[in-house]
Parts: sequence; C-alpha cells; structure tokens
Amino acid sequence: DAKTTQPPSMDCAEGRAANLPCNHSTISGNEYVYWYRQIHSQGPQYIIHGLKNNETNEMASLIITEDRKSSTLILPHATLRDTAVYYCIVRRRSNDYKLSFGAGTTVTVRA
Amino acid sequence: EPEVTQTPSHQVTQMGQEVILRCVPISNHLYFYWYRQILGQKVEFLVSFYNNEISEKSEIFDDQFSVERPDGSNFTLKIRSTKLEDSAMYFCASRLAGGRGQQGDTQYFGPGTRLTVL
Repeated sequence: DAKTTQPPSMDCAEGRAANLPCNHSTISGNEYVYWYRQIHSQGPQYIIHGLKNNETNEMASLIITEDRKSSTLILPHATLRDTAVYYCIVRRRSNDYKLSFGAGTTVTVRA
Repeated sequence: EPEVTQTPSHQVTQMGQEVILRCVPISNHLYFYWYRQILGQKVEFLVSFYNNEISEKSEIFDDQFSVERPDGSNFTLKIRSTKLEDSAMYFCASRLAGGRGQQGDTQYFGPGTRLTVL
C-alpha cells in the first residue's frame, strides 16, 4: 500500500472549515484514499473514502487532486467534538482489505 | 444505526493467563478483523477472517493468538498466555463485502477492549 504523509498536528477554530492535507505521491491506480478518525482512544471512525472523484457525505468532503498524489479532507464547520486524530489511509483493493494506520494528524478544535 | 460491539470494555489479567476478547460484528457483515493499539502508538493490524478462516495475519499474530467465530454472531480473539507487552486496546472491525470501493469495502470499528496485563 502507498505511504501517506500528514502533518502531525493542526489547530482549527470552532465553526470554521478544517482542511486536512494528505500526500500519497506513490499511489497507484487501484488504490483508494480512506479517512478515519479516532477520538481519544475510541475505535477508529470511518469518515469518507474516494478513488479519483471528489466525494461528500454528511460528515466531510474529500478533494483528490487530478494526479491523485494528494488529497484534502474538509470538515465544513468544525465543532469541539471534531477534536481527534485523523488518519489518511491508502488502501489497495485486495481480498483482505486490511488498513495500515500511520500516526495521523492530531486536530484540535478551539472555541 | 448498526454498530460493532465489544466486551468487556476493560480486562485486567495476570501475566500467563488466557484471555478471550469478544466482539459482535454488524449482523450482515462477512469479513472480520482485529487490530490493537499500544498506548501512544499506532493502530496495528492483527488478523482478518472470512468464511471461517484466517485470510491474513500480521507478524504480531503468533501462536499465542487465535480467533474464532463460535456462532453466527460472535467473533473472538484469544490470547493463550498473556505477556506484559500484550497490554493494549484491542479493536474489532467488520465489513460487509468486497466490491469496487463501494460501501461494502468500509470497515467499521468497535469501541475497543482495554487489556491490562499485570
């Protein structure tokens, strides 16, 4: 699976959009970009995933560059409850679909 | 909304004892996983399970570990003889099925069991 690079931490003001970058320059054509988050040692929570098109759901938007070498997770209106570690994971389509977690980005939403 | 559940939430055991961690995956899911997270470290894959067989396991998943789906609802992780270094959060996950990046690809995680080995 392709390696991802995320900033170790970032702050965000409550009510503002949080833009979380992820680099995955070695991504291949059959690899998806997944985002999960983990709030204070709870189980990782699925946020969104995509292959090459931008995606949006009730939690977030995922913007993937045309060359697919980077992506941005957007939390449109961050709240204090969005404070968490956010993981960008590139996952190959295979029979087992295991997830390889990195260190992620610790996002702190401040009032 | 259906969710993965795990019991117990916290397990304390003595070194050398056997422990069984229990998970109830989402009811119609077919693929099951165990991960662990040592305090302050990354979430690590342990094992994946499908059709009553292990489909992949990591180096961590040695002979001391085993998994079982004893009935139609539970998925268990057994550690035969616990070591101090087994102390960690253990997360169970499940997913529906495979298919081209659709929702069936997505793994849903339980809240975890905190295992403390003394």
